[in-house]
Amino acid sequence: EPEVTQTPSHQVTQMGQEVILRCVPISNHLYFYWYRQILGQKVEFLVSFYNNEISEKSEIFDDQFSVERPDGSNFTLKIRSTKLEDSAMYFCASKGDLFNYGYTFGSGTRLTVV
Amino acid sequence: QKEVEQNSGPLSVPEGAIASLNCTYSDRVSQSFFWYRQYSGKSPELIMSIYSNGDKEDGRFTAQLNKASQYVSLLIRDSQPSDSATYLCAVNILRGGTSYGKLTFGQGTILTVHP
Repeated sequence: EPEVTQTPSHQVTQMGQEVILRCVPISNHLYFYWYRQILGQKVEFLVSFYNNEISEKSEIFDDQFSVERPDGSNFTLKIRSTKLEDSAMYFCASKGDLFNYGYTFGSGTRLTVV
Repeated sequence: QKEVEQNSGPLSVPEGAIASLNCTYSDRVSQSFFWYRQYSGKSPELIMSIYSNGDKEDGRFTAQLNKASQYVSLLIRDSQPSDSATYLCAVNILRGGTSYGKLTFGQGTILTVHP
């Protein structure tokens, strides 16, 4: 069964450093998403991406965050200057059909900012 | 009012019993409804999707949707210890006439099935 692949599985970074989280969505999917889940809290939407541009973003997704699909297969989330409160699980998801079917989530990247 | 609300639990049921998980949502223009299962430290895994009023059955799982009451539920029949997980209700809210598939999640209900 096709799956969404995320790397790395765990990233530890110093506060203020830049991190890039990587995702390879399912190949024929058109809609891509990033979500995060702070430990013990609910899954929160960050951003959706379609047709090579951001289609929607949350208030969490401020100027420190950016997304890119650099080569038609990878989908990346960059955090420019990490803060302690950015520590969370980050999930990538993709979808082939906008209105039907749920997402396929990747296995997640655990980001720890120290 | 929270957009998607679930009882956080924990909900404890004996093996073989029916587990009933509930979710309410605040926005009447919600259009798609999903139940995800999440094991500790893992990513959400889609169990059921439902789009129209009524019941939808898939194996031991039944999703029920009542748009008038803004209520969606998940029943798990013949519960097994392996069903012990956090169950997330997620809603696709159509707002302003557009939606790009964004899901709003509830905080999840912890289910424990004991032998």
